Amino acid sequence: DQQVKQNSPSLSVQEGRISILNCDYTNSMFDYFLWYKKYPAEGPTFLISISSIKDKNEDGRFTVFLNKSAKHLSLHIVPSQPGDSAVYFCAASEYGGSQGNLIFGKGTKLSVKP
Amino acid sequence: NAGVTQTPKFRVLKTGQSMTLLCAQDMNHEYMYWYRQDPGMGLRLIHYSVGEGTTAKGEVPDGYNVSRLKKQNFLLGLESAAPSQTSVYFCASREIARGRAGELFFGEGSRLTVL
Repeated sequence: DQQVKQNSPSLSVQEGRISILNCDYTNSMFDYFLWYKKYPAEGPTFLISISSIKDKNEDGRFTVFLNKSAKHLSLHIVPSQPGDSAVYFCAASEYGGSQGNLIFGKGTKLSVKP
Repeated sequence: NAGVTQTPKFRVLKTGQSMTLLCAQDMNHEYMYWYRQDPGMGLRLIHYSVGEGTTAKGEVPDGYNVSRLKKQNFLLGLESAAPSQTSVYFCASREIARGRAGELFFGEGSRLTVL
């Protein structure tokens, strides 16, 4: 049973527009959420995180929104750039991430077209 | 700063052969992890370690063994490789200090093919 779900395997967006990547989770004990970005032939790299005590966290062009009642989070990229083309993984953890392990979704492949 | 280094980067095995993947980190991190990535499956945790001399099973541990004899190294072993273990393997580490909790630092991956 998947605890972290990314239901869109792929997303295509025009350069300069907004990219919205979605993630749903089922475990109500998750209280720390992260997004990772992965380019081909490289390891995933940390992008942005959010604690369950917040509903929004912003870092430059990247914003993560958390809706705890819906058990849903989303990553917004504005404006999207061709260099953002990558696979994005949503991940979740219990205990603020200080203990336990990260549970990853299956990933969404983002393509940003010039 | 090298971060997390995995060796080898590529390997082809025949069914039944054994091999060991080595992960080394130079960030003095306590926690280390081995994940596998398969198409359409995301990242799945194989085994992990919360400190030198400790190991624990993750989501998909069968067919793998691990050892953490030194804090900086985490070894993943396949005793008798099977085609189902064809995958890309990622090692990761993280510190346990709060503030950056949960952030994993990944290696570049090791692509293993079992024929």
